[in-house]
Parts: sequence; C-alpha cells; structure tokens
Amino acid sequence: DIVMTQGALPNPVPSGESASITCQSSKSLLHSNGKTYLNWYLQRPGQSPQLLIYWMSTRASGVSDRFSGSGSGTDFTLKISSVEAEDVGVYYCQQFLEYPRTFGGGTKLELK
Amino acid sequence: EVQLQQSGAELGKPGTSVKLSCKVSGYNIRNTYMHWVNQRPGKGLEWIGRIDPANGNTIYAEKFKSKATLTADTSSNTAYMQLSQLKSDDTAIYFCAMEGYNPYYFDYWGQGVMVTVSS
Repeated sequence: DIVMTQGALPNPVPSGESASITCQSSKSLLHSNGKTYLNWYLQRPGQSPQLLIYWMSTRASGVSDRFSGSGSGTDFTLKISSVEAEDVGVYYCQQFLEYPRTFGGGTKLELK
Repeated sequence: EVQLQQSGAELGKPGTSVKLSCKVSGYNIRNTYMHWVNQRPGKGLEWIGRIDPANGNTIYAEKFKSKATLTADTSSNTAYMQLSQLKSDDTAIYFCAMEGYNPYYFDYWGQGVMVTVSS
C-alpha cells in the first residue's frame, strides 16, 4: 500500500498569515500520462470532507484561489494564503494512483 | 444537484451486523464508482472499499475484506455497505463518497453515519 505522511502545522496560525501543509507519499504518484494523482481535502468541524485540489495542483470548482497545490512525485505542499476563519479544520492528502486509496493522517489548522 | 443521502445512526451489539445505505440523487451511479470511508472517533479518514454499481465489482482494503460487504442497487440508485461481526473498534462515522464525472477524486460525499457498537 502507498503510505501517505502529513506534517503538522505550528498552530494556531494568525489570521491573514499563510500556512503550508506538507504530504509525502511512499511511492511516486506521477502517472505515465503526466498527471500526479494527489488530492487534498478539507474537513471542517462536524462536516464531511470536501475536495480542494486534485492532480496535485488543480483547484476544484468553487475553491478559493487562496489555496494552491504543488510538489514533485512524492513530496507535496498545500499552501493557504491569508488564512481565514472558514479555513479551520483538518486537511487530508490522498493518493488516487493505486488501490487502496490511502489518505494521510490529517493536518489540523487552528486560527489565532 | 448531486446529493448523497445516508441512512440514520446505528447502534449494534458486538457480534451482530449492520447495513448502511447511501442514496444518490442527481447522478446515475451506473456511471461511477461508489466508495466507503470511515473515521474513528478523533481519528483520520480510512478507505474501506469501492464498488462499480454497473457490474457489482468490488475492491476492498485488506483489513476490511472480511468486515465489509459492498453492494449496489441501480434501480434505486443506492449503494450499501454491510458491516459484520461488529466489535467495539468498528465504532466510527462511515461516509459514502462518489467519483462523479471526473474519476480521479471523491467529488461528492454523504453526510456520514455514526455506527456505535455497544452491548
């Protein structure tokens, strides 16, 4: 199985500051078609997860441009510029290259 | 608008089974894969498995192969997951999730259902 490992945030993050969340995969997620099958989700308190980013760097429909994804085949970063109250929650990375569709352990964002 | 509506909370005794449902509206489940994910109290997301409703083909995470059984009824556009031989560590929120038009991520999620295992 592909293991996904997420880093922690130095919480709480001051409102208006930027935050970067890291994720590492145990295997390259770069497909032969040139796309990297890494997704990011946000789970707000008491809610279901929602998709933020897919293919490592493509924002999902309706997602603020304050969110951006980047990385290589195995190391990924989700950057949130100018953190707002609505960004509070737990962020998960997920690989979609192979089964099982594994998630990272989650990174909690708290606001100061 | 695509919506996934899950059945209500379940309380099961150890050793028994529960069957959860996930009714989809606004999208024909024959055209996608339905997945199930759990979240134990205070913990992260864990992928359980997926079903192709068009033909019933399933893939499970290794640890859930003898725990979960995924089925789907295309006539009612509903996916199901049965959890058998319940134990206390099956206590969790269970989400259904759907891939949608683009089969590279979970585009839509159910609201989640709490399953509590207790005698």
